[in-house]
Amino acid sequence: GNSVTQMEGPVTLSEEAFLTINCTYTATGYPSLFWYVQYPGEGLQLLLKATKADDKGSNKGFEATYRKETTSFHLEKGSVQVSDSAVYFCALNSGGYQKVTFGTGTKLQVIP
Amino acid sequence: DTAVSQTPKYLVTQMGNDKSIKCEQNLGHDTMYWYKQDSKKFLKIMFSYNNKELIINETVPNRFSPKSPDKAHLNLHINSLELGDSAVYFCASSQEQNSPLHFGNGTRLTVT
Repeated sequence: GNSVTQMEGPVTLSEEAFLTINCTYTATGYPSLFWYVQYPGEGLQLLLKATKADDKGSNKGFEATYRKETTSFHLEKGSVQVSDSAVYFCALNSGGYQKVTFGTGTKLQVIP
Repeated sequence: DTAVSQTPKYLVTQMGNDKSIKCEQNLGHDTMYWYKQDSKKFLKIMFSYNNKELIINETVPNRFSPKSPDKAHLNLHINSLELGDSAVYFCASSQEQNSPLHFGNGTRLTVT
C-alpha cells in the first residue's frame, strides 16, 4: 500500500534560519504530492503541490520538488519566520476516489 | 464565506452518550470526508462520500455513522461514546481526483 514518511519533530529553528523537512513516499503509479500546514487550533491548509516528476511546487517562500528517482518531496524555505510555526504534513494521492495518505506531521517551532 | 464549516467547535460529553457533528461546504465540491486526528496529530481517514454515495469506509467502529443528505453536507453521528473517541474530527472536501483537500477547522471531542 501507499505510505508517507516524514522526519520526526519537533524542529526548532531561529528566525531567518534555513528549513528542510524531509518527506519520502512509497506508492503505486504516479501519485500527486502535497504539503499541508496546520496552524494551532485550525484545520489543514494546502501549502503547495506537485503532480508529476520534476515539478516544483512553491508558495509563501516554501518549495518542494517531486523527485521520482529518490521518491522524495522535501519541503524547504530559505528564511523562516515566527509565523511559520505550525505542523507540516506531507501527503500523496495516487488517484481513485481521493484516498489521500498523510505523513505523521512535523511540528516546526521558530523562535525570535 | 467560510468554505468548509463544521459545528460544534468543541464538544464535551460523557461516556455512553450519542452525539452528532455537522459539516457543510459551499465550494460546490463533489467529495466530502471525515478524518480523525489523535493527540499526536496523526490523521486517519474515516469516511468519504462522493455525490452522497459512500466510497471510503475505513475500519471504523459501527458506532460511527456518516450521513450525507446532499452533496454539500456530511454529518457524523457517534453512538455510545467511549473515552478513546476523544480526538479532533475534521471534515474536508475536494473537487476531483488528485485535487487538494479543503479542511474545516475541526471539532474537538472530549469524552469524560
